[in-house]
Parts: sequence; C-alpha cells; structure tokens
Amino acid sequence: TQLLEQSPQFLSIQEGENLTVYCNSSSVFSSLQWYRQEPGEGPVLLVTVVTGGEVKKLKRLTFQFGDARKDSSLHITAAQPGDTGLYLCAGGWTGNQFYFGTGTSLTVIP
Amino acid sequence: GAGVSQTPSNKVTEKGKYVELRCDPISGHTALYWYRQSLGQGPEFLIYFQGTGAADDSGLPNDRFFAVRPEGSVSTLKIQRTERGDSAVYLCASSKNRVDTEAFFGQGTRLTVV
Repeated sequence: TQLLEQSPQFLSIQEGENLTVYCNSSSVFSSLQWYRQEPGEGPVLLVTVVTGGEVKKLKRLTFQFGDARKDSSLHITAAQPGDTGLYLCAGGWTGNQFYFGTGTSLTVIP
Repeated sequence: GAGVSQTPSNKVTEKGKYVELRCDPISGHTALYWYRQSLGQGPEFLIYFQGTGAADDSGLPNDRFFAVRPEGSVSTLKIQRTERGDSAVYLCASSKNRVDTEAFFGQGTRLTVV
C-alpha cells in the first residue's frame, strides 16, 4: 500500500523549461523527504521538510511542505539533462519508517 | 564501510528455491530498513529494524518472507519458495538512529525468479 500519490508519473521536457512535481496524501506526516534515484542506484536524499508551510531551496530546486502536512511539491527551474531521474517523495512519522510515493520519472532532453 | 553494501548485486533463481539477500549498513547506524522496488515505481516498505529487533514488519507480504539482524548490524532478508512475482530490486537503507534522520540506501539486489 502506497500512501502517497505523485503526479505526473512521467514527465519529458526540454532543457531550460520549468516543472513541478506533486506529492499528495490523505495522511498527515511529521516529516516528508524528497529523493532522487538514478538507474541501478539507490535513492539519494535531497531534502527533509518538517514544518507545515515550510519552503526549502537547493540550487534550482524548491521544495514546499503543505500547511496541513499532507502534501508537498518540488519545483525545478531551468531543468538540465543532469536532473533526469526518478523523483520520490517519502512521508513518515517520528520513530517509524518512511513510506514512499509512486514516483515521477523525469527526462530532460538536451 | 563507507556506505550501505548489499550482496549479491544480482540473483537469478528458479521458482520454488530459497534465497538470502544480505545488507551491511553503515557502521554505527542502529536503524535498518528493507524495501522492494519494481521498475519505475516507488520503493515498497517491507520491514524496519531498530537494533536487533524488528520494530515494524507490517510490510512483509506473506510468511515466505523473513528478515533477521542478530547482532544489530548486518541484516539478511530470506525468501522461501520463491515465486515469479517476487522478482524486483530489494533495497536496504540505514540511518543513524531513527527514521527522521537521513537514510542512506544501498544499490540494491536485483532478484529474478525464473
């Protein structure tokens, strides 16, 4: 059972375009993480958000945690081919494991 | 070691056989997790260890799946009477203490049941 739904499932864009990936759930989480995964590798943590409404920036990536701590978004500005990968959100509760979202496969075309 | 190590990296087995997948977490990490992942999908939670004990095994799909971590370090995921539907990448991760600290993933074991 996956508690978090991501949209879109697949995204193919041209280099330089902007994009937003959404992560939605009916559950309230104590924290939410975003990971990026490349083929043949395990997921690598990008960011953790813990406060409702929190916004974090990592270079061209902007992450937001919803006010109610049920959803999150990842916005990429001026996408580059190196951003290609599977983006995963994961929600958790203090002291327990994280549940991953359904994933968004991003392809940035040069 | 420097990172989470999983062995073997690939395993092909016949339907009905028994397999063991090994995970060496980062030294000193008390929390260890097993997930499995199908192509293009998000990892599916299987089991979470805190030290030697399974804190949550609610994700194990049935009684053919079992995992141990006898000394609080290395963990082994065991699958009995494998089925073709068990084919997936099995990921292991560890974190320093509990899950809301950063989890580091291994590269996974690709299991193929033929």
